[in-house]
Amino acid sequence: AQSVTQPDIHITVSEGASLELRCNYSYGATPYLFWYVQSPGQGLQLLLKYFSGDTLVQGIKGFEAEFKRSQSSFNLRKPSVHWSDAAEYFCAVVTNSGNTPLVFGKGTRLSVIA
Amino acid sequence: ETGVTQSPTHLIKTRGQQVTLRCSSQSGHNTVSWYQQALGQGPQFIFQYYREEENGRGNFPPRFSGLQFPNYSSELNVNALELDDSALYLCASSLRGLGQETQYFGPGTRLLVL
Repeated sequence: AQSVTQPDIHITVSEGASLELRCNYSYGATPYLFWYVQSPGQGLQLLLKYFSGDTLVQGIKGFEAEFKRSQSSFNLRKPSVHWSDAAEYFCAVVTNSGNTPLVFGKGTRLSVIA
Repeated sequence: ETGVTQSPTHLIKTRGQQVTLRCSSQSGHNTVSWYQQALGQGPQFIFQYYREEENGRGNFPPRFSGLQFPNYSSELNVNALELDDSALYLCASSLRGLGQETQYFGPGTRLLVL
């Protein structure tokens, strides 16, 4: 069965600093990979997705993620964090059939300090 | 383009009662998936509806049931509510048929069972 691990439960960064959120998945073939962001009390907003092709994908709000097959990873990065980026971030995977449900990690809570 | 909407935003029920949550899919989407997100956890897949039929189900008991209507909107029904059913219920819509399906989420319904 597919699974997603987000090793960091909570990360605190200073405003303007760079950010990397880790995501590892378990699946035999190449999955479809997603990052979603959830502000307090809100639903999930899609940040970016990887289906195939270029392993570095760009998303909204200045985020990017890199798919590394050898490491089964899909880490999310941002070069300069803004206070408004404070939220919960979820990595998710589906099989490459595309019609199966999303399997989510437990999330990483990002706090941003001045 | 209208996004995914859910109603109500919040509700409080007591143990043993029944509840119905509603979801309107994004314009042009034909598939609806429901997820349960307990506090501090990632969303867990409940079930998915496509062409008005259940098309996949997660590890949830039969007292969780649903419907999809011809306009692709959907309902989630939960009977005999238990305290552990307290959670944020998220609806996601997508367009099946082109592969590389991406799910877009609504704001959620927060259910509290007392």
